[in-house]
Formats: sequence, C-alpha cells, structure tokens
Amino acid sequence: AQTVTQSQPEMSVQEAETVTLSCTYDTSESDYYLFWYKQPPSRQMILVIRQEAYKQQNATENRFSVNFQKAAKSFSLKISDSQLGDAAMYFCAYFSQGGSEKLVFGKGTKLTVNP
Amino acid sequence: EADIYQTPRYLVIGTGKKITLECSQTMGHDKMYWYQQDPGMELHLIHYSYGVNSTEKGDLSSESTVSRIRTEHFPLTLESARPSHTSQYLCASSGTVPNNEQFFGPGTRLTVL
Repeated sequence: AQTVTQSQPEMSVQEAETVTLSCTYDTSESDYYLFWYKQPPSRQMILVIRQEAYKQQNATENRFSVNFQKAAKSFSLKISDSQLGDAAMYFCAYFSQGGSEKLVFGKGTKLTVNP
Repeated sequence: EADIYQTPRYLVIGTGKKITLECSQTMGHDKMYWYQQDPGMELHLIHYSYGVNSTEKGDLSSESTVSRIRTEHFPLTLESARPSHTSQYLCASSGTVPNNEQFFGPGTRLTVL
C-alpha cells in the first residue's frame, strides 16, 4: 500500500525567509500525482501545487516550488519569501490512477511564520 | 462559480441525537469524499463515492453512513451522536484524469455533548 511520510510535525520560519517542508512516499507505481495542500487555521483546505510523476521539471507556483526526486521518492515543498499568510498546516498527498484512486495524505506539517 | 459547500459549519448537539451533515458541489464531479479530522491533525478518509448509487467505506471505521442519490449531493448521517464523534468533518470532490485534484469544502465542526 502507498504511504506518505512527513517527518516534520512542526516548522517555523522568519517572515521573508525561505523554508522547505519534507515529504517522502512509498509506491511501486510509475505513474502518479503528488500534491501539497495548505490548511490555514479554521479555513478551507486548498491546493498549493501539483506534480505529475512523468514530468521531470519541478512544478512552480509563484513563491512555491517543489523538489521532486522520483528515484528517491521525495517531494519537498519550498516556500520563498515567507509571508504571515503562509502559516498553516501543510499536507503532502499522493494519487495513483492504477492504485486505490484515493488520495493518500501525510500527517501534516504545522508551519509557523514569525514576524 | 463552481464550488463545494458544507452545512452547517458548526453544530453542537446532545448525545443520542440524529444528525445529517450536508455536502454539495456544483462542479459536476463524479467522485466525492468524507474525511474526519481532529484539529491540527491528519485527515482520515471515512467514506467515498465514485458516482450516483455508489458508496464505499474509507480507511477509518466510522459509525456514520452516507448516500449518493444525486451527483452533486453527498450527505453524511449519524443515527445516534456520541461524544466520541466530536471532530471536524471535511467533504471533498474531484474530477477525473488528468487533474485528480480534490476540492475541499469549509468543513463542519461537530461537538457532541
């Protein structure tokens, strides 16, 4: 069964600095999708960034980028120029069409942004 | 605007009451999901549906039940609420390949006294 591991329960970063959140996964599939979701306190869960496994180029969305290492099964999220609004729980998730067709979530990383 | 809605947002209820948490989406998605999440903790999938008249239990055992009579509607019911059911319940929906992105509702925070 696929598993997703986020080894950092909590992280903190100074405003305007850069932080990297770690995520590793386990799968025997070759074709899959990886996601980072953001859940601000008492607010709706939203998608931050998505990576298709067949794409070698790392996905980027404004200040958010990923480091996708397929062989190492690693999918870290880098947040540049951190802002107070980035404070949230961040969940890494995995999806495979050939697998259970359900999102498999990590346990989350709580990010605190210090002014 | 396409979206996913949950009502109520907050519910405080006594033990033994029957409750239904509503979830609707306007995106025409076939797949819908219910997750249970304690504050600041991981998500647990409790139910999912791949289309009308299709429902499956998720990875976490739950005493709740669901139905899918219409594509856009996926309500969750607890026949007899207990304090152990106190949690946040998130509804989500997704389309098909290539996106596979799940869109989440705002959640229902349930407290059972």
